Amino acid sequence: GENVEQHPSTLSVQEGDSAVIKCTYSDSASNYFPWYKQELGKRPQLIIDIRSNVGEKKDQRIAVTLNKTAKHFSLHITETQPEDSAVYFCAASMGGSYIPTFGRGTSLIVHP
Amino acid sequence: GAVVSQHPSWVICKSGTSVKIECRSLDFQATTMFWYRQFPKQSLMLMATSNEGSKATYEQGVEKDKFLINHASLTLSTLTVTSAHPEDSSFYICSARAAGVPYEQYFGPGTRLTVT
Repeated sequence: GENVEQHPSTLSVQEGDSAVIKCTYSDSASNYFPWYKQELGKRPQLIIDIRSNVGEKKDQRIAVTLNKTAKHFSLHITETQPEDSAVYFCAASMGGSYIPTFGRGTSLIVHP
Repeated sequence: GAVVSQHPSWVICKSGTSVKIECRSLDFQATTMFWYRQFPKQSLMLMATSNEGSKATYEQGVEKDKFLINHASLTLSTLTVTSAHPEDSSFYICSARAAGVPYEQYFGPGTRLTVT
């Protein structure tokens, strides 16, 4: 089955800095890669996603890049703010069932 | 749009009793619902996938007789933890997928179960 590795497990940055979280996946058939943000005790919320026919996608301060050859994708957050502090999960899934496999999560801490 | 609710948000039960958690899609029809378990500071672990009107598909290692899942309608799925033990204490989250949108899933707010 699919295996998703996520790094780092914890990321601490100063407000205004950029943050990058990286994920690798094992199954080349995976073609949908969402990123979720989960605040403490709350539900995961989709913040951005990318399909395998696209190399990069941006939404304001958030961007995701995908390298299909290397089987890795990354989340980039620019101009970080304290409210960006949360746990971020990457996931990979493939057509048909689209059942996602999640990474272990990255705890992002943005210091004011 | 695409709101999923869960009830209760938290529950405390005694060891040996059963507890039912409801997951509802409020403004769309959910052909597929997923149940996850999440331990503190850990990732989401998929327990089972349920499609409306059919039996749930359980992930390897999840006891289907202990975690009973019913998806009786396009807006409601239930998870019943039978004969609960303290090790079943966890955060249970459901998610729902709308018909015609095969890749996105919308998460419920989660249910914190504590078994004493």
